[in-house]
Amino acid sequence: QKEVEQNSGPLSVPEGAIASLNCTYSDRGSQSFFWYRQYSGKSPELIMFIYSNGDKEDGRFTAQLNKASQYVSLLIRDSQPSDSATYLCAVNGRGNNRLAFGKGNQVVVIP
Amino acid sequence: DAGVIQSPRHEVTEMGQEVTLRCKPISGHDYLFWYRQTMMRGLELLIYFNNNVPIDDSGMPEDRFSAKMPNASFSTLKIQPSEPRDSAVYFCASTRLGSNYGYTFGSGTRLTVV
Repeated sequence: QKEVEQNSGPLSVPEGAIASLNCTYSDRGSQSFFWYRQYSGKSPELIMFIYSNGDKEDGRFTAQLNKASQYVSLLIRDSQPSDSATYLCAVNGRGNNRLAFGKGNQVVVIP
Repeated sequence: DAGVIQSPRHEVTEMGQEVTLRCKPISGHDYLFWYRQTMMRGLELLIYFNNNVPIDDSGMPEDRFSAKMPNASFSTLKIQPSEPRDSAVYFCASTRLGSNYGYTFGSGTRLTVV
């Protein structure tokens, strides 16, 4: 089982709609969870982090964490063409200082 | 702050040649990470350092890869000899106080081995 899995294929959403991305992780002791955005040809940039169960909102982004089910999700409200990118889920395990990344989900916002 | 600085941005080399990638972390960051990204495998951790000391190199694919961090402001990743399957984007990232705070990535080095 991979440490971090993002299984959905490319996601196309109309401008103004909600984009929903999901991620599951295998280490039940994981403590910190991150979402990175990566534009084509660019490096990943941190957009959200969450440590506690529940929701965390930052502007148009909401991260949701459910440790019992071992999943974390990202919602992008009022999607804009500038949100078109690949979104990477990353998880930090208990007792170590390295992040394991999922392979990412591509989001395409259609004007 | 200039962020994490990597050089070169692009490198094209012939199979068998030595390749050296360079990274300057953000000042004050005590953790430095080297990742490799490919379409097939995504982002893979190769090695990371804490206070210039290698902590986990289990991701280094084979003995052809080596990494050093002689001081807090400089690290190198060396591939000798290079092979076509090493073609990828190599990212350096740094953070302070461990990855609970996320990483800042450099712009990456796109390596092509022909």
